[in-house]
Amino acid sequence: EDKVVQSPLSLVVHEGDTVTLNCSYEVTNFRSLLWYKQEKKAPTFLFMLTSSGIEKKSGRLSSILDKKELFSILNITATQTGDSAVYLCAVEEGAGGTSYGKLTFGQGTILTVHP
Amino acid sequence: DAGVIQSPRHEVTEMGQEVTLRCKPISGHNSLFWYRQTMMRGLELLIYFNNNVPIDDSGMPEDRFSAKMPNASFSTLKIQPSEPRDSAVYFCASSRPVDIQYFGAGTRLSVL
Repeated sequence: EDKVVQSPLSLVVHEGDTVTLNCSYEVTNFRSLLWYKQEKKAPTFLFMLTSSGIEKKSGRLSSILDKKELFSILNITATQTGDSAVYLCAVEEGAGGTSYGKLTFGQGTILTVHP
Repeated sequence: DAGVIQSPRHEVTEMGQEVTLRCKPISGHNSLFWYRQTMMRGLELLIYFNNNVPIDDSGMPEDRFSAKMPNASFSTLKIQPSEPRDSAVYFCASSRPVDIQYFGAGTRLSVL
């Protein structure tokens, strides 16, 4: 059975800290790994990773994928209270250029940033 | 674009009643997904459609759940009869082929 496991399940930090969120996966037909941020409403897209070792950055957030070890990390530097949210990792299945359409989500990491 | 539109935003009903959740995907997106989110099980895919055709409904918990997509701009998820354990947030998402999924704001369902 396909599995996506995130750690830690929750994290409490102070503003300015740097955090690293982890996502490991076991899927039969890996196509891509996605990170979403959820703040009491709909998950919003952060990154899509398909190739190993290529870091994706957006402001203070960055992410990288290791397809050999089957994991990804999401880094947030200089955290702010607005970063408080649930961060979801999901794996998309597919083959070649085709997506099977399915996303399998991890249970999420609850990040709380205190002022 | 207005994004994925779900209705109602909140639904409170009594056990045994029929519940219908609605979703309008983003125009031009040909894939539509229904998810359920609970504290215990996280975000789970229930069913998804490509070009209005159900592709995988293996996540639908039981026969009380059914989903339809009569056209490219509308889908429903129906629970009949509803049970308290169906209480959750139900999300609809849509995407273009081989593209990221965009989520609606969700419907928070409470079955008393």
